[in-house]
Amino acid sequence: QSVLTQPPSVSATSGREVTISCSGTSSSIENNHVAWYQKKPGTGPKLLIYESDKRPSEIPDRFSGSKSGTSATLGITGLQTGDEADYYCGTWDSSLSAYVFGTGTKVTVL
Amino acid sequence: QVQLVQSGAEVKKPGASVMVSCKASGYTLTTYGVSWVRQAPGQGLEWMGWISGYNGDTKYAQKFQGRVTMTTDTSTGTTYMHLRSVRPDDTAVYYCGREFCDSARCYGVDYGGQGTLVTVSS
Repeated sequence: QSVLTQPPSVSATSGREVTISCSGTSSSIENNHVAWYQKKPGTGPKLLIYESDKRPSEIPDRFSGSKSGTSATLGITGLQTGDEADYYCGTWDSSLSAYVFGTGTKVTVL
Repeated sequence: QVQLVQSGAEVKKPGASVMVSCKASGYTLTTYGVSWVRQAPGQGLEWMGWISGYNGDTKYAQKFQGRVTMTTDTSTGTTYMHLRSVRPDDTAVYYCGREFCDSARCYGVDYGGQGTLVTVSS
């Protein structure tokens, strides 16, 4: 069972923006960096954001991350059909001494 | 370029053991470790643990402690995940990934393998 809570699904029309929240605790998000992953069927998780707000060089700037207190947010602007996927947040949980993932959010482009 | 190549699919009976391998290349292996993450059908991602590429230190999720062992063959750059006493609910795709951890925490996988389907069925 995940200790990071995400909305099950979000949707928007092509070209619009979506945000995905990730709610944790003081032992997880508040005191550790957050990563965000995109997961499509048949492929491995793809890193979108690391250290809460940094993008790997190959990730377009349509993807952004932020963190405040015990929550983190992933933003996707200029939504494209190729963005349809499941998205997961992840962070270290100091009380569990384990890396934990969020419950996952399915993004649908209408 | 960073690459992690995993072994092929496995089918096991309940109670058996399974070993999945992950060969890493394209980076300094001693700087990073390798983590294992699995995804059961219709479920989310689950971190199983990590092994240091520097000294073989391990961190295991409590759920798997006593049932999983991660080892590394530094001569080949291959990491192994050995899961014992498998059950039908261990059926999942298992992914290895490059991950940096220090003594206090891990920072998330940045490059991953292609995944290995492990099916546990009688």
